[in-house]
Amino acid sequence: GAGVSQTPSNKVTEKGKYVELRCDPISGHTALYWYRQSLGQGPEFLIYFQGTGAADDSGLPNDRFFAVRPEGSVSTLKIQRTERGDSAVYLCASRSSSGANVLTFGAGSRLTVL
Amino acid sequence: DAKTTQPNSMESNEEEPVHLPCNHSTISGTDYIHWYRQLPSQGPEYVIHGLTSNVNNRMASLAIAEDRKSSTLILHRATLRDAAVYYCILRGASYKLSFGAGTTVTVRA
Repeated sequence: GAGVSQTPSNKVTEKGKYVELRCDPISGHTALYWYRQSLGQGPEFLIYFQGTGAADDSGLPNDRFFAVRPEGSVSTLKIQRTERGDSAVYLCASRSSSGANVLTFGAGSRLTVL
Repeated sequence: DAKTTQPNSMESNEEEPVHLPCNHSTISGTDYIHWYRQLPSQGPEYVIHGLTSNVNNRMASLAIAEDRKSSTLILHRATLRDAAVYYCILRGASYKLSFGAGTTVTVRA
């Protein structure tokens, strides 16, 4: 596609539930990033994939958070046993391995945990 | 990752230039200086980046100090659509960008 697509755009869930957030990167982009942004703050790094493998997952806050990219394209961020503190906008970005090495972000998925 | 320091907010009038400063005194020789901006309810958007020399593109100019410990993003003629949060970020070899709080730019009509 022309840009990075994230679904759903909005997700409301109850505390304790399981949530999946999907990211479709720009076609051909080998690197994919997940960030989390709380209200009034800058995006916070979660995890970075190069191809199918997680090159850096140092930003995942705890073991309730997990992300996969099985075919090196679409990625899913999975959150187990959601807590109210998980409420945030989850941003996905992709990057080409050639060219200017800049990130293209999607519009984000807004997660609200009640 | 080396850190950057930016003012919390800046105001400008429409069609006037905006100079956004960024301090990065602990920058290493291989760190690139990247600028992104985030419009309301959108993801961040790439603006410009540079290493040592000043850079220009259709969106903005980037002026880098000779010692590389500071830089300035220049919007030549601000429009209402330039109202956003502007982030100055140092990118090292890891390609992982660490965002700070950025500078909130307000443009008055």
